[in-house]
Amino acid sequence: GENVEQHPSTLSVQEGDSAVIKCTYSDSASNYFPWYKQELGKRPQLIIDIRSNVGEKKDQRIAVTLNKTAKHFSLHITETQPEDSAVYFCAVTDGLTFGKGTHLIIQP
Amino acid sequence: DAGVIQSPRHEVTEMGQEVTLRCKPISGHDYLFWYRQTMMRGLELLIYFNNNVPIDDSGMPEDRFSAKMPNASFSTLKIQPSEPRDSAVYFCASSLLAGGNEQFFGPGTRLTVL
Repeated sequence: GENVEQHPSTLSVQEGDSAVIKCTYSDSASNYFPWYKQELGKRPQLIIDIRSNVGEKKDQRIAVTLNKTAKHFSLHITETQPEDSAVYFCAVTDGLTFGKGTHLIIQP
Repeated sequence: DAGVIQSPRHEVTEMGQEVTLRCKPISGHDYLFWYRQTMMRGLELLIYFNNNVPIDDSGMPEDRFSAKMPNASFSTLKIQPSEPRDSAVYFCASSLLAGGNEQFFGPGTRLTVL
């Protein structure tokens, strides 16, 4: 089956700094790459996604970049705020295989 | 729309008992997914349906687990008999399409098997 590796597992940044989370995958046929945010005790919710025909997508403070050749994609959060603290999951295989998650901690 | 609805929200049962989790997807969504989330294994896809038909159940851990979707607005995930290692949060999600579309998750059912 598809392998997806997500790094780091935990990321602590100062409020206002940027955070970057990376996922690598093995199936070159994957065409859809979503990122979900899960706050403590809540359900995962989509925050941004990208399709294979695009290299980068931005939505305010968050962006996703995709390198299909190298088979990796990254989530970028700029000007981090306390409400960004959560677990972030990438997904591949058309969104059906999830990474293990990154616990993002925003330090005040 | 109220979103994906799951019940119960919490379930505590004893080993060997049958457990039934329920899900109502968003109206008009053709795909329904069942996931299990644990600290050790993360978010795992158990099974998904398209138009009430099971498409891929390769993630179902063993024969103790079964899922049904008798109609477009209702699905169940059953564990019989339950074991302590089944303790997890079970999420149901639905989407308009399977590949390449946002999944909308329900609030989850936290299952504890004693």
